[in-house]
Amino acid sequence: SQKIEQNSEALNIQEGKTATLTCNYTNYSPAYLQWYRQDPGRGPVFLLLIRENEKEKRKERLKVTFDTTLKQSLFHITASQPADSATYLCAPRFSGGYNKLIFGAGTRLAVHP
Amino acid sequence: GAGVSQSPSNKVTEKGKDVELRCDPISGHTALYWYRQRLGQGLEFLIYFQGNSAPDKSGLPSDRFSAERTGESVSTLTIQRTQQEDSAVYLCASSLPRGKNEQYFGPGTRLTVT
Repeated sequence: SQKIEQNSEALNIQEGKTATLTCNYTNYSPAYLQWYRQDPGRGPVFLLLIRENEKEKRKERLKVTFDTTLKQSLFHITASQPADSATYLCAPRFSGGYNKLIFGAGTRLAVHP
Repeated sequence: GAGVSQSPSNKVTEKGKDVELRCDPISGHTALYWYRQRLGQGLEFLIYFQGNSAPDKSGLPSDRFSAERTGESVSTLTIQRTQQEDSAVYLCASSLPRGKNEQYFGPGTRLTVT
C-alpha cells in the first residue's frame, strides 16, 4: 500500500525566513498532489495542486515542487510570517482511486517573531 | 457562499451507544468524503460518495460504521456500539465531481467515547 511520509517533528523558523516542508511517497507516482493547511480545531484548507508533469507551481509566497524520480514534493513558504504557523498536509492522488486523496500526517510549522 | 457544515461540533457518548454525525456539503458538490483524524495524526479516509451512491467504502474500519447520503446533499455517518477507539475528529469534505478538484472541508465533529 502507499505510504506518505512527512516530517513528524515540528519545524521552527524565524519570521522572514523560508520554510521548507517535505513530503515523500512510496511505490507508485501520483497523478497529482495537493497541499493543505490545517489550523487547530479546524478542517484542512486547500492551498496548491501540482500535476505529475509539472516541476514547480507558485502562488504568492508559496511554491511547490514535484520530483517523480525522488518520489518527493517540497513545499516552500518564503518571507514566512507568524500567521503561517499551522500544520501542513500533503495529499497525493493516485490513479484508480476515484478522487480519493491519501493524506500525510502533516508537519507542524511554527514561525517565531 | 456557505461552506461545508457539520453537526454536532462535539459529541460525548458512552461506550456501546450509537451515534449519528451529519454533514451538509457545498451546494452543487456531488462528491462527498468522510475522514477520521485521531489526535496528532493524519486524515484517515473512510468513504466516498458520488451523488448518493458510495463507490468506495474501503476505509470503513468495521461493520459498526455505515454512511448514507440522500438527494446528493446531506450525508450521515453512523457508528453503532461505539468503542473508545472510535474517539476522534470526524471530518467531511465535498468537491466538484470531475477533474483535479480540491476538497472543501467542514470543521469536523469531535467524538469522545467514555
